[in-house]
Amino acid sequence: GENVEQHPSTLSVQEGDSAVIKCTYSDSASNYFPWYKQELGKRPQLIIDIRSNVGEKKDQRIAVTLNKTAKHFSLHITETQPEDSAVYFCAASGSGYALNFGKGTSLLVTP
Amino acid sequence: DAGVIQSPRHEVTEMGQEVTLRCKPISGHNSLFWYRQTMMRGLELLIYFNNNVPIDDSGMPEDRFSAKMPNASFSTLKIQPSEPRDSAVYFCASSHIGLNNEQFFGPGTRLTVL
Repeated sequence: GENVEQHPSTLSVQEGDSAVIKCTYSDSASNYFPWYKQELGKRPQLIIDIRSNVGEKKDQRIAVTLNKTAKHFSLHITETQPEDSAVYFCAASGSGYALNFGKGTSLLVTP
Repeated sequence: DAGVIQSPRHEVTEMGQEVTLRCKPISGHNSLFWYRQTMMRGLELLIYFNNNVPIDDSGMPEDRFSAKMPNASFSTLKIQPSEPRDSAVYFCASSHIGLNNEQFFGPGTRLTVL
């Protein structure tokens, strides 16, 4: 089955700096890669996703890149703000449609 | 749209009791997923349904766990008998496979088994 590895497990940045979270996956058939943000005590919420026919996607301060050859994808957050503090999960899915999640990255943005 | 609805939001029960968690997916979605979240194991897929049919239940930990989807607007996850190690947050999510794969999560049920 699919195995998704996520790094780092914790990340602390100063407000205004950039944050990068990286994930690797094992199943070359995976074709959908979403990123979820989960605030304490809340549900995971989709913030951006990318499909295998695209190498990069951007939405305001958030961008995701995908390297299918290397089987890795990354989340980039620029100009971080304290409200970006949360746990971020990457995931991958293929023909089975079920999402396989990474273990999460706890991001702390300090003022 | 009200989004994915789960009940109860919190459940505290004693070991050995039966627990039933409920989920109403977003109207029009054809797939429903049950996840369990713990600090140790993260977000794990338990089972998912497509058009009310169970497709993959390989994540269901034991025979104590069972899930049903009698119609397109309702699903249950049952644990019988419950054990302390079942304590976790259980999320239900739904999506429309065929349109896109975006999964929308419900608010979750926090289960505590004493």
